Amino acid sequence: QKEVEQNSGPLSVPEGAIASLNCTYSDRGSQSFFWYRQYSGKSPELIMFIYSNGDKEDGRFTAQLNKASQYVSLLIRDSQPSDSATYLCAVIWATGFQKLVFGTGTRLLVSP
Amino acid sequence: DTEVTQTPKHLVMGMTNKKSLKCEQHMGHRAMYWYKQKAKKPPELMFVYSYEKLSINESVPSRFSPECPNSSLLNLHLHALQPEDSALYLCASSGGLNGGLFFGSGTQLSVL
Repeated sequence: QKEVEQNSGPLSVPEGAIASLNCTYSDRGSQSFFWYRQYSGKSPELIMFIYSNGDKEDGRFTAQLNKASQYVSLLIRDSQPSDSATYLCAVIWATGFQKLVFGTGTRLLVSP
Repeated sequence: DTEVTQTPKHLVMGMTNKKSLKCEQHMGHRAMYWYKQKAKKPPELMFVYSYEKLSINESVPSRFSPECPNSSLLNLHLHALQPEDSALYLCASSGGLNGGLFFGSGTQLSVL
């Protein structure tokens, strides 16, 4: 059974802190990894994607990928209350043509 | 134009009704998707269209019937739904094999 796993949270951090969100996946051959943010009652919004081992930075967001350990993480620096949302990790399976599978999501709460 | 447009935003239907959900994108993407999302759960893949042909059907009941009239449009025809089909239905499009998906705002469906 191919799986994408995340801690459901909530992960609570104070404003200005670094939020660290983690995700593990079971398909070792997977090549493409994505982070989506979803506010309550809204649709998922793509915020980061990463294909290669290492770090990828975009503004306050950093995605980290370690294919050997099969995990991908998202760091949010200088967290703001507006970052409070559910963060969904998503993976395209190596054998699943354009099949994007989501983890269960981690709820992030940033307190002022 | 980087939007995926879904209509209607809200839909209430009885179990004997026939209705359709519509989705439109003008990003030139050749892959389009239907996902279903229940409250506090991740999106679940239903269908994938690639170059206007159905490429993935995740064993969805026949009361859901997808249609892709052209590369910009995607419909989901609904008939004889059950109350447990009440959910947020999300349309998405993607520009490439390893590309992330861009979601529309969704249709919140209630089946009475």
